[in-house]
Amino acid sequence: AQSVTQLDSQVPVFEEAPVELRCNYSSSVSVYLFWYVQYPNQGLQLLLKYLSGSTLVKGINGFEAEFNKSQTSFHLRKPSVHISDTAEYFCAVRVLESGYNKLIFGAGTRLAVHP
Amino acid sequence: NAGVTQTPKFQVLKTGQSMTLQCAQDMNHEYMSWYRQDPGMGLRLIHYSVGAGITDQGEVPNGYNVSRSTTEDFPLRLLSAAPSQTSVYFCASSYSARMNTEAFFGQGTRLTVV
Repeated sequence: AQSVTQLDSQVPVFEEAPVELRCNYSSSVSVYLFWYVQYPNQGLQLLLKYLSGSTLVKGINGFEAEFNKSQTSFHLRKPSVHISDTAEYFCAVRVLESGYNKLIFGAGTRLAVHP
Repeated sequence: NAGVTQTPKFQVLKTGQSMTLQCAQDMNHEYMSWYRQDPGMGLRLIHYSVGAGITDQGEVPNGYNVSRSTTEDFPLRLLSAAPSQTSVYFCASSYSARMNTEAFFGQGTRLTVV
């Protein structure tokens, strides 16, 4: 079965510091990967996605992620975080079952940016 | 830009009560789904629909029913609420069930069963 593992449940960081949120997936077939962000009391918003092509993917709000097939990872990075980046981040993989796409989510990583 | 609309935003139920969580999208999306979000478990798929009249079970379907009579609406029914169904519920939609298109999420319904 496909699965997504987010290695850190919480990541505290100071403002303007770099951050990396880790995500590993298990899949034996073609992989389509996503990062979503959830701000407090809101729904999920797409941050970035990898479908094919360049392994370095740039998203909104200065985030980027790198797809590493050999390490089955899709880590999310930002070189300098802001207080407004405080949110929960979800890594997800899209799998094809019975001819239809389904999104499988990781448990989430809560990013807390401190002044 | 309404997107995906969920109602209600908050709900408190007593054990054994029934209710329906509403979800509507105005983007003519083929694929709609319901997830529940619990601390430390991410989002888990409850039910999904690949078009009007077609629904199927996800990872955690027990205790929930769905129907899809129109393209726009995908209600989730709790037949007899239990405390284990206390959660935040998200509805999502995407243009196609077969192509890799972006999923759009509603704002969520926070349900407490006492």
